Amino acid sequence: GENVEQHPSTLSVQEGDSAVIKCTYSDSASNYFPWYKQELGKRPQLIIDIRSNVGEKKDQRIAVTLNKTAKHFSLHITETQPEDSAVYFCAASKNDMRFGAGTRLTVKP
Amino acid sequence: SQTIHQWPATLVQPVGSPLSLECTVEGTSNPNLYWYRQAAGRGLQLLFYSVGIGQISSEVPQNLSASRPQDRQFILSSKKLLLSDSGFYLCAWSVPGQTNSPLHFGNGTRLTVT
Repeated sequence: GENVEQHPSTLSVQEGDSAVIKCTYSDSASNYFPWYKQELGKRPQLIIDIRSNVGEKKDQRIAVTLNKTAKHFSLHITETQPEDSAVYFCAASKNDMRFGAGTRLTVKP
Repeated sequence: SQTIHQWPATLVQPVGSPLSLECTVEGTSNPNLYWYRQAAGRGLQLLFYSVGIGQISSEVPQNLSASRPQDRQFILSSKKLLLSDSGFYLCAWSVPGQTNSPLHFGNGTRLTVT
């Protein structure tokens, strides 16, 4: 089955800096790659997604890139703010969705 | 619009007791349904998914089971809970027939087995 690896497990940045989280997947047939943000004690919420026919997608301060050949995708957050602090999960989907282990992002004011 | 309901929000159960968590989706027909578990500070582990009534796929062999008695109802059960069953259980749905659509999560059930 699909295996998703996510790095780093923790990330601390200063407010205003950029944050990058990287994921790799194993099944080349996976065709959908969402990113979720989970605040403490709450459900994961979709923040951005990308499909396999697209290389990059941007939504305001958030962008995702996909390299199908290398089977990796990344989340980029620019101009980070303290409210960006949360756990971020990447996922890859073919028939079902598999998640990475998560990255705890801390943005220091 | 579609909504997903999951209950209870929190649950404390002794070891060896049974478990039943329920999830229902409104506003869509024949959704794909999922149960995930999240241990404290960990990632999301897929437990079961279903593409239709009576169609359940199990990802991890363990003492949990799932059932889908109605189109938009998904139930997670156990006959005898273990300490290791503690965690945050999340139900989710996605658009039927599409493998490239997002999951929409319920608010979760925090289960503590004592």
